[in-house]
Order: sequence, then structure tokens, then C-alpha cells
Amino acid sequence: AQKVTQAQTEISVVEKEDVTLDCVYETRDTTYYLFWYKQPPSGELVFLIRRNSFDEQNEISGRYSWNFQKSTSSFNFTITASQVVDSAVYFCALSEMDSSYKLIFGSGTRLLVRP
Amino acid sequence: SAVISQKPSRDICQRGTSLTIQCQVDSQVTMMFWYRQQPGQSLTLIATANQGSEATYESGFVIDKFPISRPNLTFSTLTVSNMSPEDSSIYLCSVEGMGQQSSGANVLTFGAGSRLTVL
Repeated sequence: AQKVTQAQTEISVVEKEDVTLDCVYETRDTTYYLFWYKQPPSGELVFLIRRNSFDEQNEISGRYSWNFQKSTSSFNFTITASQVVDSAVYFCALSEMDSSYKLIFGSGTRLLVRP
Repeated sequence: SAVISQKPSRDICQRGTSLTIQCQVDSQVTMMFWYRQQPGQSLTLIATANQGSEATYESGFVIDKFPISRPNLTFSTLTVSNMSPEDSSIYLCSVEGMGQQSSGANVLTFGAGSRLTVL
């Protein structure tokens, strides 16, 4: 069965600190996708990144970076120099690669960035 | 990029009543998906709605409780029937990824959700 674990329920940091959100997944599939979504207070989920299981290269997009390690089944998300606008709930998710569009979400990590 | 509109954005309902949530997309999509987010919890897929066919429900969700309509390629409704307080959740409509930032296999774009509170 597929499962996504986000062990950090809530993280609080001061603005400009770096913060890493952990994500550990379980799947029997050899091919799969991993995702991160952001849910700001407005409620709408915002897509951040999709990574396929073939590609273990780390990715950087501005202040955001992602570390995918198949050996530890982890897909961690780091925000560098955090800002108040980063305050949101962040969800990690997993899906099979057969385009079923069924995403298995983790329980989310609430990030609070204090000024 | 495409826009997903959901109505109502929030509602307070009485136990035993039913409520229909509407999802409108401003471009045609093959598949639409309904997710539930219970208070403080993660998102769970309720069903997949394809135009012209019956919705496909996930384990734990049944058509009698969550009937879905998909009359055309831009619109879907989800009804929460005979509501109880346990149905208090955010219900989110989503579609295949749209727009440059979110295109690609298995990427979903979500609406802002409909927050239901059942008393």
C-alpha cells in the first residue's frame, strides 16, 4: 500500500531562517510521482513541484529546493531565507505513474514564519 | 492558467439535510476529481468524475452518500447527502493540471474548496 508520512505537524521559525520539511513515502511501485503542494490560509492548494521516480536530481527554484533520495524513500523540501508569506500548510503527495490521478497525501506540515 | 470556481465557498448545514457543491472550470477537461479534507487532516480522494459516464468512487465512499454529476466538460457537482457532523470538511474539486506551471501527468489543479460545517 502507498503511504506518505510527514512527521512534523507544525514548525515555527523566525523570518530569514532556513527550514526543511520532511516527507517519507512508502510504495511497492517501481515507478511513481512525488509532489509538494502549498495550502495558504485562503485554502486553495498550490502546486509546487512534481518529481518522477527516475530522476533523483535535486531541484532548486528560487528559495525552494527539494532533496529526493530513493535510498531513504524521502522527498524533503527546504525553504531558504523564509518569509512571512511562506506561512502555510505544506503537503507531500505520491501517485502511481499510470496517470490514475489518485494522489496519496501526507498529513501536512503547518509552517509558521514569524516576523 | 485555468480557473476553478466552487460554490458555495462555505456553508453551515443542519444534520439530515443535503447540500450540493458546484465546480466550474473555465476550460474543458476530461477528468474532474473530488477530494475531502477533514478538519486538520489530509486530503482524501472521494471519486473521479468523467463526462458521460458514472463516477468512480474510492474505497469508503458510496454513490448514495456522495452522488456526483458531470453533465459536460466544464462542470461537476458533488452532493453530500443526509449530512452528519462527521461530514464537516472542506470539499475540493480538482482537474488535470492546467497552465504552464502545473502541466504534466498526474498534476492536479485545485479549487479553493467548499467548507461545510454540519451542526
